[in-house]
Amino acid sequence: GAVVSQHPSWVICKSGTSVKIECRSLDFQATTMFWYRQFPKQSLMLMATSNEGSKATYEQGVEKDKFLINHASLTLSTLTVTSAHPEDSSFYICSARWQSAKNIQYFGAGTRLSVL
Amino acid sequence: GENVEQHPSTLSVQEGDSAVIKCTYSDSASNYFPWYKQELGKRPQLIIDIRSNVGEKKDQRIAVTLNKTAKHFSLHITETQPEDSAVYFCAASKVDTGRRALTFGSGTRLQVQP
Repeated sequence: GAVVSQHPSWVICKSGTSVKIECRSLDFQATTMFWYRQFPKQSLMLMATSNEGSKATYEQGVEKDKFLINHASLTLSTLTVTSAHPEDSSFYICSARWQSAKNIQYFGAGTRLSVL
Repeated sequence: GENVEQHPSTLSVQEGDSAVIKCTYSDSASNYFPWYKQELGKRPQLIIDIRSNVGEKKDQRIAVTLNKTAKHFSLHITETQPEDSAVYFCAASKVDTGRRALTFGSGTRLQVQP
């Protein structure tokens, strides 16, 4: 299967700082990547759809200025949590859609963000 | 938009028994229904998927059925084993047009008792 690498896996930061999370498709090109947020014992909630070379599409209620998404290449999308606050603490997971594999989405390992 | 409901939220079975998890979706245009298994603190792993032109798909001990008319689909695990214990999520999307993002169900925590 395809491999999606997400980095870092765990980050602790102070309130007010910004954190960047990277999502890479290692062995395939992904024109579309997705960013999800998952609270403990809950489902994955879509935050935004990241399209290579264009602006991300954000879900209702997700602040685009708070969660900056950049999809500069066919293998890399980044999510930057700006001016993080404790309520931003969560598990963030990306996925990449492999068009050549019948559009199956492959997930990264996730990033656990803890904001102090 | 799409809404996916999943039941039950928790399921405990004895090793060797079968487990069934059910999902319903709201958008009749959805045409792709994957199932993911997620172990604690790990990434969701695709275990099986089905498209709207198929009513049933099987892969060893795992099967998925789809009823387009009723807009529901189910995951069936036979001869369960302790390593099947995890959280299972169903999802729905439109893979070729429109909203390609997955809408997930709320998850089912499966516990297989040895």
